[in-house]
Amino acid sequence: EVQLVESGGGVVQPGGSLRLSCAASGFTFDDYAMHWVRQAPGKGLEWVSLISGDGGSTYYADSVKGRFTISRDNSKNSLYLQMNSLRTEDTALYYCAKDTYVWGSYRFDYWGQGTLVTVSS
Amino acid sequence: EIVLTQSPGTLSLSPGERATLSCRASQSVSSSYLAWYQQKPGQAPRLLIYGASSRATGIPDRFSGSGSGTDFTLTISRLEPEDFAVYYCQQYNGAFGQGTKVEIK
Repeated sequence: EVQLVESGGGVVQPGGSLRLSCAASGFTFDDYAMHWVRQAPGKGLEWVSLISGDGGSTYYADSVKGRFTISRDNSKNSLYLQMNSLRTEDTALYYCAKDTYVWGSYRFDYWGQGTLVTVSS
Repeated sequence: EIVLTQSPGTLSLSPGERATLSCRASQSVSSSYLAWYQQKPGQAPRLLIYGASSRATGIPDRFSGSGSGTDFTLTISRLEPEDFAVYYCQQYNGAFGQGTKVEIK
């Protein structure tokens, strides 16, 4: 059974940093690209970032480019999102999502339950 | 940048009725890269349809997708109580539509 479990969320002040983690199990982790998708309270879904199965290719939404860094450790079956220079508009539930293809097809067949990030002074 | 616009914003229907949800793209989208997701309150989204018309694993056949170019449709043939949720379309660069809420009338 595929499982994705996010952690690392919390309350942080504007300008601060946070590192999210996603522990994956139930599939061959490095065979698939992985994503972070977020959802602000009461709002829709926003794709944030993609990393290929080998970790060699990364992509970001314009709204986070230069501030967020996606990475993965295939030896630990783990995905990460380093978030710097956080803004109030980054407040959201952050989901880890599995792609169906190693290089990224933007088709998300499994999702975690999310970890909440609140940026507030 | 391709923008996806979903309509209507809210659809009020009764169980057993047919639901038709629309997703319109600002530019032509390859059908291979159009997906639909369902999200219930307090839950993560679930993949329903990919490639515009292929059902994901375990999705009942009352859900169907169609369309090409700039106009795509998700149809739920007969609404079950568990189908009342928010539905999002999504295209290959990750962008989502704003969602359509299907609520009980």
